[in-house]
Amino acid sequence: AQKVTQAQTEISVVEKEDVTLDCVYETRDTTYYLFWYKQPPSGELVFLIRRNSFDEQNEISGRYSWNFQKSTSSFNFTITASQVVDSAVYFCALSSAGGGNKLTFGTGTQLKVEL
Amino acid sequence: GAGVSQTPSNKVTEKGKYVELRCDPISGHTALYWYRQSLGQGPEFLIYFQGTGAADDSGLPNDRFFAVRPEGSVSTLKIQRTERGDSAVYLCASSISSGGGPYNEQFFGPGTRLTVL
Repeated sequence: AQKVTQAQTEISVVEKEDVTLDCVYETRDTTYYLFWYKQPPSGELVFLIRRNSFDEQNEISGRYSWNFQKSTSSFNFTITASQVVDSAVYFCALSSAGGGNKLTFGTGTQLKVEL
Repeated sequence: GAGVSQTPSNKVTEKGKYVELRCDPISGHTALYWYRQSLGQGPEFLIYFQGTGAADDSGLPNDRFFAVRPEGSVSTLKIQRTERGDSAVYLCASSISSGGGPYNEQFFGPGTRLTVL
């Protein structure tokens, strides 16, 4: 069975602070893919990033960065110099061929960035 | 280009009624997924189509739920004898193909908020 755990239910920060959203996953497959999606108040899920299980290289995209560590089964997401527009619910998700191609989502982390 | 569209955006119905939710995927996307998102939760998988056929319907909660995709494009999720516990946001997603399997990014629609009174 696949499982994604996002232990942080809600995080509040002040604008310009850095914030890290945690994600821990479980799967028996050796080939799998990890995703982060953003769900702003409008409700539509927006794709942010995908990593495969063979690529542990960290990635940076503007103010966003991702730290993938297979040894701890974690795929954490950091926002540097947060902005009010970053306020949203962020979901970590997992897929694998053994899991039937569907996405297994965590319960999400509500990020609130205040002035 | 156009993204995934879903209609209606909101649906209010009474317990015991039948409802249909429609999903129009991105043109050319052969894979289509339905998810259900309850308040405060992440989306939960319901069913996945590759072309016209349901490749995986393991997430459908019971036989009151059914989905079709007769021409390999638009899909309809059908719920019979609705119950209050069916109230949720129903999300549809599509991806370019299942050839890449679980690798392919899924593009989500805005969802249909179903309320069963």
